[in-house]
Amino acid sequence: GAGVSQSPSNKVTEKGKDVELRCDPISGHTALYWYRQSLGQGLEFLIYFQGNSAPDKSGLPSDRFSAERTGGSVSTLTIQRTQQEDSAVYLCASTIQAGGAYGYTFGSGTRLTVV
Amino acid sequence: AQTVTQSQPEMSVQEAETVTLSCTYDTSESDYYLFWYKQPPSRQMILVIRQEAYKQQNATENRFSVNFQKAAKSFSLKISDSQLGDAAMYFCAYRISGGSNYKLTFGKGTLLTVNP
Repeated sequence: GAGVSQSPSNKVTEKGKDVELRCDPISGHTALYWYRQSLGQGLEFLIYFQGNSAPDKSGLPSDRFSAERTGGSVSTLTIQRTQQEDSAVYLCASTIQAGGAYGYTFGSGTRLTVV
Repeated sequence: AQTVTQSQPEMSVQEAETVTLSCTYDTSESDYYLFWYKQPPSRQMILVIRQEAYKQQNATENRFSVNFQKAAKSFSLKISDSQLGDAAMYFCAYRISGGSNYKLTFGKGTLLTVNP
């Protein structure tokens, strides 16, 4: 597609429920990142996918968070048993390749509110 | 660990004037990249300008330019002839040039207001 697409745009969920956030990167972009932006904070790295390599999950805050990327394209971030502190904007980004001075192309994010 | 600090939570500028946003970073690496991103209310992060650490010349993109001081680990953004559409959150970001993970490390951002 023309840009990075994320869905849903907004999600309100009850504490304890599971949620799935979707990211559709730009076609041909091999690297995909998930970031979390909490209110008044910068972006916090969550997870990184590069081609068919094992993902770097070092930024995931707890085992309630997981992500997968199917066929080197679409990615899903899953948060199980959501907590109020999970409320944030979740941003996805892709880049044509992992190296070089390439900036990311970001999606518009999913605003998650846990009530 | 690399850190990025933006010491100005908020800044304001009059339309058509010039404003400078500050950013400092901490790293032991010699080769890396620096970026400025703009985030308007739409939430989408937009790349404004990038700088490669091994290049001494400061990057420029139309009304946007940087003052890169490698020894001081400083990377400020200058916006000339400010326009109402420049109003947004601005984030400074850092990334090493090598290694196996090319994640960006972001500062906490500066909210820029442009007054008519």
